[in-house]
Amino acid sequence: GEDVEQSLFLSVREGDSSVINCTYTDSSSTYLYWYKQEPGAGLQLLTYIFSNMDMKQDQRLTVLLNKKDKHLSLRIADTQTGDSAIYFCAGSFTGGGNKLTFGTGTQLKVEL
Amino acid sequence: ETGVTQTPRHLVMGMTNKKSLKCEQHLGHNAMYWYKQSAKKPLELMFVYSLEERVENNSVPSRFSPECPNSSHLFLHLHTLQPEDSALYLCASSPTATPTYGYTFGSGTRLTVV
Repeated sequence: GEDVEQSLFLSVREGDSSVINCTYTDSSSTYLYWYKQEPGAGLQLLTYIFSNMDMKQDQRLTVLLNKKDKHLSLRIADTQTGDSAIYFCAGSFTGGGNKLTFGTGTQLKVEL
Repeated sequence: ETGVTQTPRHLVMGMTNKKSLKCEQHLGHNAMYWYKQSAKKPLELMFVYSLEERVENNSVPSRFSPECPNSSHLFLHLHTLQPEDSALYLCASSPTATPTYGYTFGSGTRLTVV
């Protein structure tokens, strides 16, 4: 089956760039997503990338996809304290019936 | 009201109680989902409904019983739960059961079983 893995914690200083990484095992990905969860809230879709793309940029967010290595990353430029949250990588895989499979989430802490 | 709304936000129940979680979406979506979120574990997909028909039940214990009376409403009926069922229960919806543009999530119900 499909498996999505992320590191649990990342700490950065305000103004620096943050890079959150994700790896997955199923090569039959169709779409890959990044979600943000703030305390006491549900998951908010930040961005997504089709599996036939290598990169997608949306304001401060840059998503990079390396299909060969099954690696997805989310770069947040000029990280702010409001970016502190849990970030989830998710994928839609043919082997998973095209439902979303989520990673464990990466807690991003932004320090002054 | 727009988006996906879940009630109640917090729920404390005893192991012998019966309660229900409610989810409502005003997005015109045809698919709805229940997820369980426990600390340091991936989100666990519990149930999937497409056009009010249950299309997936991921080996969820029978003490959790979903109901989808129409495409805008989804319930999760709870009875004789265990302490390990304490978690954040998230409802989500999508235009179809194929999540091309991802899911829209509610804020969740924080459930504590005592």
